[in-house]
Amino acid sequence: SQKIEQNSEALNIQEGKTATLTCNYTNYSPAYLQWYRQDPGRGPVFLLLIRENEKEKRKERLKVTFDTTLKQSLFHITASQPADSATYLCAQLNTGTASKLTFGTGTRLQVTL
Amino acid sequence: NAGVTQTPKFRVLKTGQSMTLLCAQDMNHEYMYWYRQDPGMGLRLIHYSVGEGTTAKGEVPDGYNVSRLKKQNFLLGLESAAPSQTSVYFCASSGEMGEQYFGPGTRLTVT
Repeated sequence: SQKIEQNSEALNIQEGKTATLTCNYTNYSPAYLQWYRQDPGRGPVFLLLIRENEKEKRKERLKVTFDTTLKQSLFHITASQPADSATYLCAQLNTGTASKLTFGTGTRLQVTL
Repeated sequence: NAGVTQTPKFRVLKTGQSMTLLCAQDMNHEYMYWYRQDPGMGLRLIHYSVGEGTTAKGEVPDGYNVSRLKKQNFLLGLESAAPSQTSVYFCASSGEMGEQYFGPGTRLTVT
């Protein structure tokens, strides 16, 4: 069965550096990959989505890539700030399935001064 | 525009008790979902709905029932709570591109 894996449970980086989070999927390419941010005690918040036929998507300091050869999506936060500290979730969307998402377990990012 | 709201925020139940969690959205979305989130397990889909009057099972539906009598509301029921249902429950609705909007969650403890 299709799986979404975020192998790093936690990532610690220094303020100002670029954070790179990884999301791998097995088997077939999902039609879309989505990234969410979740703060402690709150619901996930949608950040970006990237389609299977797109290589890269940007939004302000965020960048997402989709590599169907490696079966991987990378999520980058440039010039990271302590306020970026949160858990980041990737999710796959398969068309024709009522827009259901399958989520990875998340990577907890800690940005320190 | 409140987005997705959930009530209650916290609840403690004894084994065997029942309860209903209420989700409401004001974005006129057709699709709505109930998830549970447990440490190390990520978000898992319990039930979902593609429109008023429809419901369908997700990945972990056992022990839960749902109803969607009005488009804006999606109810999750536990008929006989078990300790294994201790979790954080999130409701979500889906926008045009399949992005999902989540509520703040309900933290449920079953003793």
